[in-house]
Amino acid sequence: QKEVEQDPGPLSVPEGAIVSLNCTYSNSAFQYFMWYRQYSRKGPELLMYTYSSGNKEDGRFTAQVDKSSKYISLFIRDSQPSDSATYLCAMSDPNTGNQFYFGTGTSLTVIP
Amino acid sequence: KAGVTQTPRYLIKTRGQQVTLSCSPISGHRSVSWYQQTPGQGLQFLFEYFSETQRNKGNFPGRFSGRQFSNSRSEMNVSTLELGDSALYLCASSTGQGDFQETQYFGPGTRLLVL
Repeated sequence: QKEVEQDPGPLSVPEGAIVSLNCTYSNSAFQYFMWYRQYSRKGPELLMYTYSSGNKEDGRFTAQVDKSSKYISLFIRDSQPSDSATYLCAMSDPNTGNQFYFGTGTSLTVIP
Repeated sequence: KAGVTQTPRYLIKTRGQQVTLSCSPISGHRSVSWYQQTPGQGLQFLFEYFSETQRNKGNFPGRFSGRQFSNSRSEMNVSTLELGDSALYLCASSTGQGDFQETQYFGPGTRLLVL
């Protein structure tokens, strides 16, 4: 079983829709949870960062962590064509230092 | 502040050859991590270097090695290339100070094709 599971999609939504992206994980030691966005032919860029359980909001983006269910989500409100990219979840265990564990990514297309 | 740079951006090699990839982190960053990205496996951690020392290592064979120089620039070497080594190799830099709120900044990657 992989440490982090993420539905690869592809996901296609109309402009203005609410998008929900999700990851599950198996290692209960993970404490730091991140979402990266990767455009084609570019490196990933950090979108959201959360520690332990709870919600975090940044503009149109909301990250949720449910440690009891080992489940994290990223919501995108009022999706835009510029949001079309691959979204990667990542998480880390403080005991393993600077090592991140990534999902395989979900490909999102927002149709104008 | 300049971002993470990686060279070369594209590389074509044949099986059995070896390759060296280079990464220059953001100025002031002392930690460099390397990842392999493939469509089927996603991002897989290779190793992390901090202050010229390998601090973390993923589950890759010994054909994959790296090093870090005193100016924090890092190189990754893959010997005896196999077809399955074709991938996008990404490097990420961070301060590496152990503050887990720190962010990993990724470079654009080196796309390696092994024929």
